[in-house]
Amino acid sequence: DTAVSQTPKYLVTQMGNDKSIKCEQNLGHDTMYWYKQDSKKFLKIMFSYNNKELIINETVPNRFSPKSPDKAHLNLHINSLELGDSAVYFCASSQGFDRPSQHFGDGTRLSIL
Amino acid sequence: AQSVTQPDIHITVSEGASLELRCNYSYGATPYLFWYVQSPGQGLQLLLKYFSGDTLVQGIKGFEAEFKRSQSSFNLRKPSVHWSDAAEYFCAVGATYNTDKLIFGTGTRLQVFP
Repeated sequence: DTAVSQTPKYLVTQMGNDKSIKCEQNLGHDTMYWYKQDSKKFLKIMFSYNNKELIINETVPNRFSPKSPDKAHLNLHINSLELGDSAVYFCASSQGFDRPSQHFGDGTRLSIL
Repeated sequence: AQSVTQPDIHITVSEGASLELRCNYSYGATPYLFWYVQSPGQGLQLLLKYFSGDTLVQGIKGFEAEFKRSQSSFNLRKPSVHWSDAAEYFCAVGATYNTDKLIFGTGTRLQVFP
């Protein structure tokens, strides 16, 4: 049983399109995250949600809009995709402040043509 | 502001040799410290973590790490490397007041020769 699952695993699309990445965790965690890993493998947090409430928004362009319908899901919608959005996007979850170990999904590789 | 430095971008070792991956952090108080491993095409897997207490922590896959406050370091070690250990290794630091946010180092790529 996959703990943190993301779909799709690969996403190839053209500049200007709108796309979504879905994330689900079955660990019962309260907090979920989105990270971006660039071509040099650098990982940077984008957002975190705790119980469906936005906690962290790391100066990400407003073309990126996370949505958390419930605490087990955190989806990422991206409008007007740009070449610089090409990266691997990772979803993660944790129990929260008192148990901060984060569990990661396998990533979604987004390629913009 | 917190920061994490992994000085070695790429390390190559022979199978069976010992390994030490370096990690230095910058933070005013005692941080939460983590090591993650990323195999090609995979997500990050937690190897071990340090929150408090014993400064030598044991993790999965035979890895251990030692927190040294005086050196602001949290180096990862393994006495005998296996070919399957070839991967990218990331050190991360979380602030104790807001552990939602992890700051990652730039990673060290480990290559293992038979």
